[in-house]
Amino acid sequence: GEDVEQSLFLSVREGDSSVINCTYTDSSSTYLYWYKQEPGAGLQLLTYIFSNMDMKQDQRLTVLLNKKDKHLSLRIADTQTGDSAIYFCAESSGYSSASKIIFGSGTRLSIRP
Amino acid sequence: EPEVTQTPSHQVTQMGQEVILRCVPISNHLYFYWYRQILGQKVEFLVSFYNNEISEKSEIFDDQFSVERPDGSNFTLKIRSTKLEDSAMYFCASSADRDSYGYTFGSGTRLTVV
Repeated sequence: GEDVEQSLFLSVREGDSSVINCTYTDSSSTYLYWYKQEPGAGLQLLTYIFSNMDMKQDQRLTVLLNKKDKHLSLRIADTQTGDSAIYFCAESSGYSSASKIIFGSGTRLSIRP
Repeated sequence: EPEVTQTPSHQVTQMGQEVILRCVPISNHLYFYWYRQILGQKVEFLVSFYNNEISEKSEIFDDQFSVERPDGSNFTLKIRSTKLEDSAMYFCASSADRDSYGYTFGSGTRLTVV
């Protein structure tokens, strides 16, 4: 079945870049997402990428997709303390973006001073 | 910015009791969802709802679960007879239409079954 895997923890120094990696198994994935969850809050959509794209940049965020290897990454430039959160990689293979989303376990990003 | 509102934020219930989790999706949204996250596990899809009927449901969503949109604003998840393993964070989400990318999630209801 569909599965999304990501490492559980990442620690970076403030001001450095953070790179969170994810792999997925569903070759028919059409939409790939990154969600952010801060303590006590819901899942906030950070960015998404279509499966026919290789890269998407949005301010400090860069998403890279290697469809051949089924690998997705999220790079956060100039990481700040406010970026501390759990980051979820997710994919959807439905015919529309309203289809169900399969989530990874989440990567907890912590920032060192 | 419009929000998906979930109430209560935390509910404790006794095993075997019925529980209703409530959600108010964003007002012009048409697609509604429930997901859950058992502590330490992945966020799992439960059900999607469109045009007053279930669009898709997972294996988790058995006969103990039901969803309803009783009026124009609320979207509820009912668990008929709760089990200990139903303890989880339940997230409601909504999206405007098929071309809206990703959903807007609520903050979740933590359900504890004792």
